[in-house]
Amino acid sequence: NAGVTQTPKFQVLKTGQSMTLQCAQDMNHNSMYWYRQDPGMGLRLIYYSASEGTTDKGEVPNGYNVSRLNKREFSLRLESAAPSQTSVYFCASRKGVEETQYFGPGTRLLVL
Amino acid sequence: QKEVEQNSGPLSVPEGAIASLNCTYSDRGSQSFFWYRQYSGKSPELIMFIYSNGDKEDGRFTAQLNKASQYVSLLIRDSQPSDSATYLCAVNRDDKIIFGKGTRLHILP
Repeated sequence: NAGVTQTPKFQVLKTGQSMTLQCAQDMNHNSMYWYRQDPGMGLRLIYYSASEGTTDKGEVPNGYNVSRLNKREFSLRLESAAPSQTSVYFCASRKGVEETQYFGPGTRLLVL
Repeated sequence: QKEVEQNSGPLSVPEGAIASLNCTYSDRGSQSFFWYRQYSGKSPELIMFIYSNGDKEDGRFTAQLNKASQYVSLLIRDSQPSDSATYLCAVNRDDKIIFGKGTRLHILP
């Protein structure tokens, strides 16, 4: 049981390049989340998916798109990366409302 | 105004004393409340969650919730150097979970 996994662990992009961050969970959780964390800013919600086939915007969705491919996988895409998107990205999942979240190890993204 | 507010700290507490961490939130429809601990370079890990007004105790940790005042707190008794970390408050409404900026706690040996 791997829990929540994220790939890649670290990525360097040039401004304007695109990439997809992958997240998968093997706990049969319904809800999945993408957050970014910048120094002194806590975790900011980018997008979330309450169930397979649904996605909703969070606090900072601009510049990102998401896909809930199936119950296990929730990907985050940067179509045209900007230096302001340099951050640590965390994926999380949980079984249902009022349940606790479980976090992946994070992806460190540097946009030059 | 951010939906979840925390004092960023650092909060310095002597070893063995009580550390008190506070959090306020703006959405009166919030249903459940979580405290996470995060060590530098690591993922957040859950310490406690609380749904109902009042206190909830788990070992050295006590969470307190006051929905009328829109206030949730975490007390850490007998603080240890290993408690030095950033503590994140999270607030849940339906499927949406919003975090505060976190409070850095430093336990002085």
